[in-house]
Amino acid sequence: DGGITQSPKYLFRKEGQNVTLSCEQNLNHDAMYWYRQDPGQGLRLIYYSQIVNDFQKGDIAEGYSVSREKKESFPLTVTSAQKNPTAFYLCASSIRGQYNEQFFGPGTRLTVL
Amino acid sequence: QKEVEQNSGPLSVPEGAIASLNCTYSDRGSQSFFWYRQYSGKSPELIMFIYSNGDKEDGRFTAQLNKASQYVSLLIRDSQPSDSATYLCAVREGGYQKVTFGTGTKLQVIP
Repeated sequence: DGGITQSPKYLFRKEGQNVTLSCEQNLNHDAMYWYRQDPGQGLRLIYYSQIVNDFQKGDIAEGYSVSREKKESFPLTVTSAQKNPTAFYLCASSIRGQYNEQFFGPGTRLTVL
Repeated sequence: QKEVEQNSGPLSVPEGAIASLNCTYSDRGSQSFFWYRQYSGKSPELIMFIYSNGDKEDGRFTAQLNKASQYVSLLIRDSQPSDSATYLCAVREGGYQKVTFGTGTKLQVIP
């Protein structure tokens, strides 16, 4: 089945620790995205990548880092520099081009203890 | 700052009625418009997209776009309790891969 997978589903982190969230897709999509969603708020873009080995900052990139070494994978690292990391993290992918419908993975819920 | 505005709701409609969800956007250069449904605790699911002025129908869903008024709406006919969710409007600027999301409208369909 084609789709986007994210792991883990739930993640608990102590303050001061870096954590990496996994995102994998087998849709053969070129573009991948990371969003953050806080209660009662919309999705805010953290980073996005249109091709392998290239990525751009979104609206709230501070305290986060990404890599895009393979087309299928776009991991997100939440560093200790991110002041309020507790949130629901969503990965999405799309084809490149004019219409850009984005499809989402199931999400990772990160809680900082 | 490009904005996408939605009434947060909740919008309550009786089962079988038409639910009308509205969205306005600030960037006149926007070219692609999307509606996502998000159940509580789950990820967004794409239900409609529209690129041209006018109406686009898919089953019980109709998306309406008016670029002159910078307005996009979603109509849900014969609303069912299973339609109860938050509906996110998303807008893509012309020439860019980035999409801006609204904060969503919570819909409650009352049996």
